[in-house]
Amino acid sequence: SYVLTQPPSVSVAPGQTARITCGGNNIGSKSVHWYQQKPGQAPVLVVYDDSDRPSGIPERFSGSNSGNTATLTISRVEAGDEADYYCQVWDSSSDHRGVFGTGTKVTVL
Amino acid sequence: EVQLVESGGGLVKPGGSLRLSCAASGFTFSSYSMNWVRQAPGKGLEWVSSISSSSSYIYYADSVKGRFTISRDNAKNSLYLQMNSLRAEDTAVYYCARDRVGNGPFDYWGQGTLVTVSS
Repeated sequence: SYVLTQPPSVSVAPGQTARITCGGNNIGSKSVHWYQQKPGQAPVLVVYDDSDRPSGIPERFSGSNSGNTATLTISRVEAGDEADYYCQVWDSSSDHRGVFGTGTKVTVL
Repeated sequence: EVQLVESGGGLVKPGGSLRLSCAASGFTFSSYSMNWVRQAPGKGLEWVSSISSSSSYIYYADSVKGRFTISRDNAKNSLYLQMNSLRAEDTAVYYCARDRVGNGPFDYWGQGTLVTVSS
């Protein structure tokens, strides 16, 4: 089965840049979506199709995807960005199934 | 405004059954694929199942295949998850989530319903 690996945690000072990686075999050939989840809340889509942003999501959130690594970048980090972040792809290699990354806790120092 | 509201969660004994529902509003339900995603306490997200707009295509995670059944009623704007032979490891918050094309992002999520499997 397809596996997506994320770092368990990332710490960043306010105003700095946070980068969250999502590793998977040839993930660059897939469309990667990113979700933000705050405690007690449902996930929210922040980036889709590698680098597109839904309406209402700040331009500070951006994404890239190449080779075996996709990256979510949060620029000018704010306290309100503290949350868990998950990458997600669809894997149709043997069957069609959704796959989530292991999740990354972003802490704003 | 897009709204997804789950219901039907609760406490059930191992081996028991439960049926979850997701009521959709604010969009043309029959035009979207729908999914169930769960999250065990303190754990990450796990995709459970998806169903295409006309129910022609249905997929399950290996962890639930043969025990869970996804269905929908487009006339009632509702999504369902019939869960049988429940195990302790099925304990989780279950979210329904919208997906435009069956392999796109989950662009809207419900608030979730908690299923607890315990004796």
